[in-house]
Parts: sequence; C-alpha cells; structure tokens
Amino acid sequence: DTAVSQTPKYLVTQMGNDKSIKCEQNLGHDTMYWYKQDSKKFLKIMFSYNNKELIINETVPNRFSPKSPDKAHLNLHINSLELGDSAVYFCASSQGKLEAFFGQGTRLTVV
Amino acid sequence: AQSVTQPDIHITVSEGASLELRCNYSYGATPYLFWYVQSPGQGLQLLLKYFSGDTLVQGIKGFEAEFKRSQSSFNLRKPSVHWSDAAEYFCAVGLSNFGNEKLTFGTGTRLTIIP
Repeated sequence: DTAVSQTPKYLVTQMGNDKSIKCEQNLGHDTMYWYKQDSKKFLKIMFSYNNKELIINETVPNRFSPKSPDKAHLNLHINSLELGDSAVYFCASSQGKLEAFFGQGTRLTVV
Repeated sequence: AQSVTQPDIHITVSEGASLELRCNYSYGATPYLFWYVQSPGQGLQLLLKYFSGDTLVQGIKGFEAEFKRSQSSFNLRKPSVHWSDAAEYFCAVGLSNFGNEKLTFGTGTRLTIIP
C-alpha cells in the first residue's frame, strides 16, 4: 500500500498547455509539500500545506497553483507551461519533525 | 540563511570497501538532520535521521551517521558497500519553526560502485 502516491509518473506536453499533477498520502500526516528536482538533481521546496492551509510559497511563479481539497491530497496545477518547467516534481508528507516521506515523482517534459 | 553543503559531487568506491559521504550545514541552531537515498528513476527514501540525543545514529541498509556539533557536520558512513548502494545521496536539514517547516537539501553525492 503506497504511502505517498503521485499521478501521472510521466507527463510530456507542449509549451503553453495547462497540466495537473495529483498527490495523495495515506499516512494521516498533516503537512504536505511539493518539491522540484532540476536536471542537476537539485531539490528545492515549492510549497507546503498544513491541514489544507498554505504555509510556504517559495517564490514560485504564479503559473503554479497548488490546491489541497483535504489534508490527504495536494494537487499541483501548472498554467502556460514553459520549457524551463521541465523537471521532476515530488510530493511529500510529514507529521512533525520534518521527517518527510516522498512520492515516486512526476517527470514533466515540456516540448 | 540556512544552507547545506555536500562537497563531493561524485564518489566511486569498490564493492566491499568502506564509504563516507560528507555533509556540512550552516544554521543558527541545531537543526533536524536527515540522509535520503534516490535510486535511478525513483523517489527519495529516508536512510536515517537525527533529532537529538546520541550523536551516532543507525539507519536502514547498514548505514550510520554521526552528528558533530563542533564541525556542523552529519557524515554518512557504511563499513562495506554493496553494488545495490549505487545511487544519489542527499543530506537534508530542517528547522521546525511554525511557518517555515521545510527541508533544505544539499546538492547530492552520486555514488558509483565498481566490482
């Protein structure tokens, strides 16, 4: 039973399109995150939510809009995709002490 | 600002040899400390963590790490590596301040194992 699951695993799309990535966790955690991993493997936080409330927004372009319908779900919608958005996006969750559990990642390729 | 440094971008060791991956951090206080491993095409798996107490922590897959406050370091070690240990390793630190609860990652160390 997967703890943190993301869909889709791969996403190939054209510039200018809008796409969404979904994330669900069954760990009962209160906090969920989106991280971006670039082509050099560097991981950087984008957003965090605590119990459906946005806590952190790390200067991400407003084309990226997270949504948390409940504390088990955190989706990421991206408008007007650009080539530079190509990356692997990881969802994660934690419950205190920042011990984060990560999903398998979504590899987004913008062509 | 907080930062995490992994000085070694790429390390190659022989199977059966010992391993040490370095991690240094810059924080105003002692943060929570983590090591994660990422196999190709996979997500990140937690190897071990340090919150407080005993400065030598044991993790999964035979890994251990030692927190040294005086050196602001949290180096990862394994006495004998296996070919399956080939992966990318990330050190991460975090402070649990409400409103800024996040992990900051190092740039990663790629581990190659040779027979």
